[in-house]
Amino acid sequence: AQTVTQSQPEMSVQEAETVTLSCTYDTSESDYYLFWYKQPPSRQMILVIRQEAYKQQNATENRFSVNFQKAAKSFSLKISDSQLGDAAMYFCAYKWNYGQNFVFGPGTRLSVLP
Amino acid sequence: DAGVTQSPTHLIKTRGQQVTLRCSPKSGHDTVSWYQQALGQGPQFIFQYYEEEERQRGNFPDRFSGHQFPNYSSELNVNALLLGDSALYLCASSFAGLSGYTFGSGTRLTVV
Repeated sequence: AQTVTQSQPEMSVQEAETVTLSCTYDTSESDYYLFWYKQPPSRQMILVIRQEAYKQQNATENRFSVNFQKAAKSFSLKISDSQLGDAAMYFCAYKWNYGQNFVFGPGTRLSVLP
Repeated sequence: DAGVTQSPTHLIKTRGQQVTLRCSPKSGHDTVSWYQQALGQGPQFIFQYYEEEERQRGNFPDRFSGHQFPNYSSELNVNALLLGDSALYLCASSFAGLSGYTFGSGTRLTVV
């Protein structure tokens, strides 16, 4: 079975600084996607960034980028120029290309300090 | 363009009761997945409905059942509620189960 681990229950960052959230996963499959989702107090899961496993190039979305290390099964999220609105729970998630469900990690609570 | 709508937003039930949660998918989406998110944890997959059939199921007991209607909306039913069923229940929709999932804001269920 696939598993996703986030070893940092809580992180904090100063506004305008950079922070990296860690994620590792375990799978025997080769075709899959990895995701970072943000869950603010509104509770809705919001997609931050997505990475296809077959792509070697790391995904970027504005201030958000990932460091995808397929051999190490590591998928970290870097948030640059942190903003107060970035404060939320962040979940790393895995999805096999031929499966229907996400496998989520336990989450990291990010606080942004003014 | 409406996103995923879930109702109710909150409810409180007593142990042993039954509950029905509802989800309307995003316009253009035909697949609905349900997740249970216990306090302080990541969401856990319950099941997915596509073409009014349960397509895949997670590791949840038969007390959890669902239904999808011809308009693609879905219901999650939980029978014989336990205290441990207290959680946020999230609905996610997509087109044919492909990537591009949209999540709702969930229903917070408290069992007392």
